[in-house]
Amino acid sequence: NAGVMQNPRHLVRRRGQEARLRCSPMKGHSHVYWYRQLPEEGLKFMVYLQKENIIDESGMPKERFSAEFPKEGPSILRIQQVVRGDSAAYFCASSPPGTVRGGYTFGSGTRLTVV
Amino acid sequence: GESVGLHLPTLSVQEGDNSIINCAYSNSASDYFIWYKQESGKGPQFIIDIRSNMDKRQGQRVTVLLNKTVKHLSLQIAATQPGDSAVYFCAENTGNFNKFYFGSGTKLNVKP
Repeated sequence: NAGVMQNPRHLVRRRGQEARLRCSPMKGHSHVYWYRQLPEEGLKFMVYLQKENIIDESGMPKERFSAEFPKEGPSILRIQQVVRGDSAAYFCASSPPGTVRGGYTFGSGTRLTVV
Repeated sequence: GESVGLHLPTLSVQEGDNSIINCAYSNSASDYFIWYKQESGKGPQFIIDIRSNMDKRQGQRVTVLLNKTVKHLSLQIAATQPGDSAVYFCAENTGNFNKFYFGSGTKLNVKP
């Protein structure tokens, strides 16, 4: 049973370009969470999604950032018109339906570098 | 908002010694806590959790202590090994399992 799969592992974008980060949850998991980690800092919650629904996006920047989790396929975190401050590691986690005891299962992250 | 922080950003210990990593939190409503281990280039990995109705919980070589009076959490690692070298984060939750608040992390260096 594969874990949470994120791709790409590393992504380099020029300022103004778009970044698309993909996350495939563990088999049987229908809840997906995105977190951002700046260098030398802890993870910051961005968004919580279930299939075809955004449940909590309180951590998402108001502009340029969007997330989706379609009925089929991976969850996508999209960052439009990237700026240098978007450089960070973006982690996806997943959980099965119901109460999450033991937290989530995290992927290995996508490291975005904006040049 | 919630605030979870750590007292020591870097901790160096000798292999075989015990390690203690501390964490302070500010939200008295938090009732569930997790310690995560993050190795370089990897995502956080669950180590141990504790609910607010407990003071102590033990796992294999790890113990988590919770002091709700002073809003303090600690992770004790017995007989620290080189493989324990990583950054350790505490994370808190207020019963809404959708969202965790992470501290800034403590880097543990284990010297052989």
